[in-house]
Amino acid sequence: QKEVEQDPGPLSVPEGAIVSLNCTYSNSAFQYFMWYRQYSRKGPELLMYTYSSGNKEDGRFTAQVDKSSKYISLFIRDSQPSDSATYLCAMRAPGPGQFYFGTGTSLTVIP
Amino acid sequence: GAGVSQSPSNKVTEKGKDVELRCDPISGHTALYWYRQSLGQGLEFLIYFQGNSAPDKSGLPSDRFSAERTGGSVSTLTIQRTQQEDSAVYLCASSATGQVNQPQHFGDGTRLSIL
Repeated sequence: QKEVEQDPGPLSVPEGAIVSLNCTYSNSAFQYFMWYRQYSRKGPELLMYTYSSGNKEDGRFTAQVDKSSKYISLFIRDSQPSDSATYLCAMRAPGPGQFYFGTGTSLTVIP
Repeated sequence: GAGVSQSPSNKVTEKGKDVELRCDPISGHTALYWYRQSLGQGLEFLIYFQGNSAPDKSGLPSDRFSAERTGGSVSTLTIQRTQQEDSAVYLCASSATGQVNQPQHFGDGTRLSIL
């Protein structure tokens, strides 16, 4: 079983729609959760960073963590064509070492 | 610039040749990570440097892969006797301390193509 599972999509929505992106994980030791946006031929860019369960909001983006279900989500409100990208979830346990990434969900927002 | 810098941005080489990929992390960041991203795949962890500690090499796929970090700053990933399956984007990231609450910042990667 992979440490992190993410639906690869692709996901296509009309402009203005609410987008929901999700990841599940198996390691209960994960404490920190991140969402990255990656445009074509670019490196991942950090969007949201959360610790513990609950919601965190930043503009049109909301990150949600449910540790009891081992499930995280990223919601994008009023989606824009510029949001078209691949979205990667990532998470990490305490101690030194690696982050674990999902495979990414490809999103296209149609004008 | 202030971000993570990687060079070259693209590299095409023949099978069997050695390649060196360079990463210049954000100034002051003590943790440095190398990942490999293949088409349609997620990020595959390769190696992690934290300060002066011994690197975590647990993700290196074979002994053809090695990396070093000189002076706690610039890092070089070396692939010897390249194979076609080595074709991928190699991403470098750095974080401020390597502590669990410090996220990573990525460069734009080196796109490696093995002919």
